[in-house]
Amino acid sequence: DILMTQSPSSLSASVGDRVTITCRASQGISSYLAWYQQKPGKVPKLLIYAASTLQSGVPSRFSGTGSGTDFALTISNLQPEDVATYYCQKYNSAPLTFGGGTKVEIK
Amino acid sequence: EVQLVESGGGLIQPGGSLRLSCAASGFTVSSNYMSWVRQAPGKGLEWVSVVYSGGSTYYADSVKGRFTISRDISKNTLYLQMNSLRAEDTAVYYCAREPYSGGWYGAFDIWGQGTMVTVSS
Repeated sequence: DILMTQSPSSLSASVGDRVTITCRASQGISSYLAWYQQKPGKVPKLLIYAASTLQSGVPSRFSGTGSGTDFALTISNLQPEDVATYYCQKYNSAPLTFGGGTKVEIK
Repeated sequence: EVQLVESGGGLIQPGGSLRLSCAASGFTVSSNYMSWVRQAPGKGLEWVSVVYSGGSTYYADSVKGRFTISRDISKNTLYLQMNSLRAEDTAVYYCAREPYSGGWYGAFDIWGQGTMVTVSS
């Protein structure tokens, strides 16, 4: 099975900073990579699918890049409401594995 | 409105069984890919099972042989039958839609609110 490895596991940044989270697949998954945001006590929310396509309604400060095995989620202008845990997920075929998550906090 | 509503969670003893339901509205369950995802307290997301539009089913190794995913077309509802439950199955269980249309499929765009399953004596 393909493993999904996220880094870092947590980060702390200032409002307005540019933040990047990476996700590596142990085998190529083309562009079948999604990013989710989960705020404390809330349901996960889809941010990006197909590695770089922004889900409707998601602020444009979120962006995704990558294909094959290496992917990244960037928040270009970190806002207080972006405090959350972010997960990547492969969805090309089962098992539809999630990464371990990256907890983003504000300094 | 497009939504998913789970039910059926609760406290169950180890070795027991439970069936979770996920009622869909605003779209057809059988026309999409539908998954169950769980999250143990303080932990990350773990994919559990999927049923594809054609009826194929797949499971995480951690639940294979114990859990069964199914759907009722007439009720537009997804189910997860959980048998031989263990303490490590304690989690919030979410159902989620992976939209499918004409060969194209997306990621989990609709999630239910989650239902808590606690396995404890």
